[in-house]
Amino acid sequence: SQTIHQWPATLVQPVGSPLSLECTVEGTSNPNLYWYRQAAGRGLQLLFYSVGIGQISSEVPQNLSASRPQDRQFILSSKKLLLSDSGFYLCAWIQGVTEAFFGQGTRLTVV
Amino acid sequence: AQSVTQLDSQVPVFEEAPVELRCNYSSSVSVYLFWYVQYPNQGLQLLLKYLSGSTLVKGINGFEAEFNKSQTSFHLRKPSVHISDTAEYFCAVSLRNTGFQKLVFGTGTRLLVSP
Repeated sequence: SQTIHQWPATLVQPVGSPLSLECTVEGTSNPNLYWYRQAAGRGLQLLFYSVGIGQISSEVPQNLSASRPQDRQFILSSKKLLLSDSGFYLCAWIQGVTEAFFGQGTRLTVV
Repeated sequence: AQSVTQLDSQVPVFEEAPVELRCNYSSSVSVYLFWYVQYPNQGLQLLLKYLSGSTLVKGINGFEAEFNKSQTSFHLRKPSVHISDTAEYFCAVSLRNTGFQKLVFGTGTRLLVSP
């Protein structure tokens, strides 16, 4: 069966430190993968999506980057975190036109 | 550009009362519509979806939603809520864009059920 793993669940990082969030999927190949961020009072904002290895598209300009080193692995990174990077990050895999699977999310607090 | 509007950021309701969470969308093309629920510090769980056919869609946990094309709305309803329904609810539209699927979410509505 298809599953999506995301870690860590919570993270507290100082301003200026690097970030790496990982997402992996099982039970499928060549999935379309997405990173969303949920900031307080702002709903879910699409940050990046990837349709294949090495293929990354950014939806909004920001301090973050994404990479797809393997078919079922999607990584969200930052070289230097800002306070405004705090939020709840969700990895998603969307299959076909109607099926979306979400990870459990990462609560990032930048202090 | 496509967008989803959830006018109510928070809806307080008493247990066993009915509830309606509102969702309106704008799009120049046909869309698929979804409602997701998010419990604290968890990912999103699909409640229901409208793809085509009957405009009244039934989902899990006793929820239902009605697609109204003329009003571009997809409101979520439940005739009698439970304490356990306390969560954040997101309306979303699915668009096809340059060969991949994109989910656009509303800002969410927090449902607070009290005894």
